Amino acid sequence: QVQLQESGPGLVKPSETLSLTCTVSGDSISRYYWSWIRQSPGKGLEWIGYIYYSGSTNYNPSLKSRVTISVDTSSYQFSLNLRSVTAADTAVYYCARDSRFYGSGLDSWGQGTLVTVSS
Amino acid sequence: DIQMMQSPFSLSAFVGDRVTVTCRASQTISTDLSWYQQKPGKAPKLLIYAASSLQSGVPSRFSGSGSGTDFTLTISSLQPEDCATYYCQQSYSFPYTFGQGTKLEIK
Repeated sequence: QVQLQESGPGLVKPSETLSLTCTVSGDSISRYYWSWIRQSPGKGLEWIGYIYYSGSTNYNPSLKSRVTISVDTSSYQFSLNLRSVTAADTAVYYCARDSRFYGSGLDSWGQGTLVTVSS
Repeated sequence: DIQMMQSPFSLSAFVGDRVTVTCRASQTISTDLSWYQQKPGKAPKLLIYAASSLQSGVPSRFSGSGSGTDFTLTISSLQPEDCATYYCQQSYSFPYTFGQGTKLEIK
């Protein structure tokens, strides 16, 4: 059974870059899309973007200018970089397996990691 | 972006009740709709995909229906462990968007 685990700093200073990694275990990273989603009290659940193992990406236009998602298939990891953060980027960040290719939804999620933007 | 609007915002029901949550999309999304259950401090869990397909391992008391713009999540006989917040999500077009959530409580 696939498992996902987010890792990265829990505190980021304003104007800096938020960097998170999701480690996938129990399944091939090459058969699915992999998404990042965040959840804040003010905005609910917000899809950030996804990546395919080939490196193909799709980002939410609201964040596109600040986001980069990358994948390292050899390490079974994919990563999120969000630049120039502000307090509005404070949220719980989730990684998830996106089974759209199989007609399904976001069918496996990491436990989530809280990132606070504060000086 | 496609807006997803859920109703009600919250509801309270007795164990054994039949419960219905609705989700309306701002434009047609065919059947590209998923439902998730989220308990406090936990990640969302996929319940229903493609509007009406039950995710493996999810109890059969959960069901989904609808197409186009109007969708429904039904719990046929509410159980205490169903106390959670439920979200709909469209995958018809990018960006994916979620409803604001429906908080379900047990009376």
